Amino acid sequence: EIVLTQSPGTLSLSPGERATLSCRASQSISGHLAWYQHRPGQAPRLLIYDASNRATGIPARFSGSGSGTDFTLTISSLEPEDFAVYYCQLHNNWPLTFGGGTNVEI
Amino acid sequence: EVQLLESGGDLVQPGGSLRLSCAASGFNFGNNAMSWVRQAPGKGLDWVAGIGGDKNTHYAESVKGRFTISRDNSENTLYLQMNSLRAEDTAVYYCAKDFWRWAFDFWGQGTRVTVSS
Repeated sequence: EIVLTQSPGTLSLSPGERATLSCRASQSISGHLAWYQHRPGQAPRLLIYDASNRATGIPARFSGSGSGTDFTLTISSLEPEDFAVYYCQLHNNWPLTFGGGTNVEI
Repeated sequence: EVQLLESGGDLVQPGGSLRLSCAASGFNFGNNAMSWVRQAPGKGLDWVAGIGGDKNTHYAESVKGRFTISRDNSENTLYLQMNSLRAEDTAVYYCAKDFWRWAFDFWGQGTRVTVSS
């Protein structure tokens, strides 16, 4: 089973700042990585799939990059609604797995 | 509008069984793969099981042999039969719709399962 390790566990930033979140896979996963935003009490929201493709309706301030084992989600300028937990997910490969999450807090 | 509505969550004793349902609407259910994903209290997301439009199934190792995912395309409903439940199965269970190669673009609001004596 491929393990996804996210870092940091918590990121403390202010609105307007840039957020850089990391996801590292225990072996190469090509580009089969998705990113989700999860706010308390809400359903998770797909942001990025195939490492760098923005999902429908996702603002351009969210971008994904990486391949192989190292991946990054960047939020170029944090909006108040962006403070949430972010998860990476291995897709198109069994078993599907999620990283442990990064909490982006004010 | 895509809607996914889970139901069936409850308090159940260890060793017990429960069946979760997810009623889908607003998209061509039969053509889409679906999954169950859970979140234990204070923990992250944890994929449980998936089923393709062709009804091919996949399971996380932690639930293999105990949980069964199925679908009724005529009723637009996804199911998760959970047997031999353990305390560590306590979680909110979400159903999720496949968007692209098992990345999920729509999720329900979840149904809570508590396994405790």
